[in-house]
Order: sequence, then C-alpha cells, then structure tokens
Amino acid sequence: QVQLQESGPGLVKPSQTLSLTCTVSGGSISSGSYYWSWIRQPAGKGLEWIGRIYTSGSTNYNPSLKSRVTISVDTSKNQFSLKLSSVTAADTAVYYCARSPRAMGNWFDPWGQGTLVTVSS
Amino acid sequence: SYELTQPPSVSVSPGQTARITCSGDALPKQYAYWYQQKPGQAPVLVIYKDSERPSGIPERFSGSSSGTTVTLTISGVQAEDEADYYCQSADSSGTFVVFGGGTKLTVL
Repeated sequence: QVQLQESGPGLVKPSQTLSLTCTVSGGSISSGSYYWSWIRQPAGKGLEWIGRIYTSGSTNYNPSLKSRVTISVDTSKNQFSLKLSSVTAADTAVYYCARSPRAMGNWFDPWGQGTLVTVSS
Repeated sequence: SYELTQPPSVSVSPGQTARITCSGDALPKQYAYWYQQKPGQAPVLVIYKDSERPSGIPERFSGSSSGTTVTLTISGVQAEDEADYYCQSADSSGTFVVFGGGTKLTVL
C-alpha cells in the first residue's frame, strides 16, 4: 500500500523560504492516476489546502497562497516538494502531503504523518 | 473565496446518533468528503463521494447529501469516535480544494 512521508527543516526564519519534500513508497508517483497535494494545519486550527501537482508538472494552488507557493515533482526519486517563500509566523503549522485521485473525485487518501514547521528567528 | 460551513461542536451521549452538517453553495455540483482527526494524528478519510465508506471504516459512519448541505451521521456513537471531523469539497470548477472549519465531536 502507498505510504507518504514528509521531510524537511523544522525551523525556518521569517522572510526565508520553507522547503519540504514528500517521499512516496509502495507505488509509483508516475502512475498517472493521482494528484499529489500539500495541506497544512496551524496548531489548534483547521486544515488548509496549499496546492497540488500532477506528474506532468501541471499545478493548482490555493489562490490565497499562490504568489508564494511552488510545488514540483521528481519522478526519478518518487518525490514531490513544496516551497513557500517569504514566510511569517502565520505559516507555522503541521504540513501534510497527501494523494487524491485525478478523476472521479478529490478525496485525500492516504496522508503522510505530518511534519511541524515553526517560523521563528 | 468559496467556503464550507460546519458547526464548531456537536455533543452526544454514547449509543446516540451524531449528525454533523456541512454547507456550501457548490455542494450540489461537487462531491463531499469527510475526515476524522484525533489529537496528534493525520486525518483519516471516513466518507468519500458524499456517501461511500472506505474499506475498514465502521458501518456506523454514513454520509448523505441534500442540496447545499451534506451530513455525516455516526450511529451508535462510541467513546472512540470523539475527534475533530472535517468536510472537504471543491469549488464549482472542481479545481480548488476547500475544507470546512471542522467540528469537534464530544462523547459525553
């Protein structure tokens, strides 16, 4: 079964760029049937979709974050990545990666376990 | 921007039925999905395409849709069902994903 695992720095300084990677195991990211997304959750708050990528490289981003977000895919490593620029304390959150089907719906399953990123000097 | 609206909290006694609603203008056009999240854990999909239940999810979880409102129903609530529940859907174009604000289910 497919599993996702987030990795990256747990602490980022304000105004810098947050960079995370999601490694997919148990299946190929190039299967062509799925979108690969990033979702975040500030402590004690709800879920916020950041954006998604298809293996062709096409992306969709949350309009509220679009100017600062880049999602990319590396099929050779079975990974996809998130870059969020000009971070502030408001970007402190648990960041999840997740898979959703390309057709027939937009549900997320499975999810990674999540990784906490703190923005602080 | 498009929003999904959930009640912040719902409380039920063990064995009773819990109903959690989610409202959004695009719900007649787009499927809804429900996730259960327990403290310190990633969300788990419990309902997809309005009313389908993934394998491994207990039968007491069900979903329904009526117009601009979808409902997650948990029949015979158990203590282990205490969690935050999130609905999720997409805008009318299907391009942008949106989550509801979440509902905290308390089992009294």
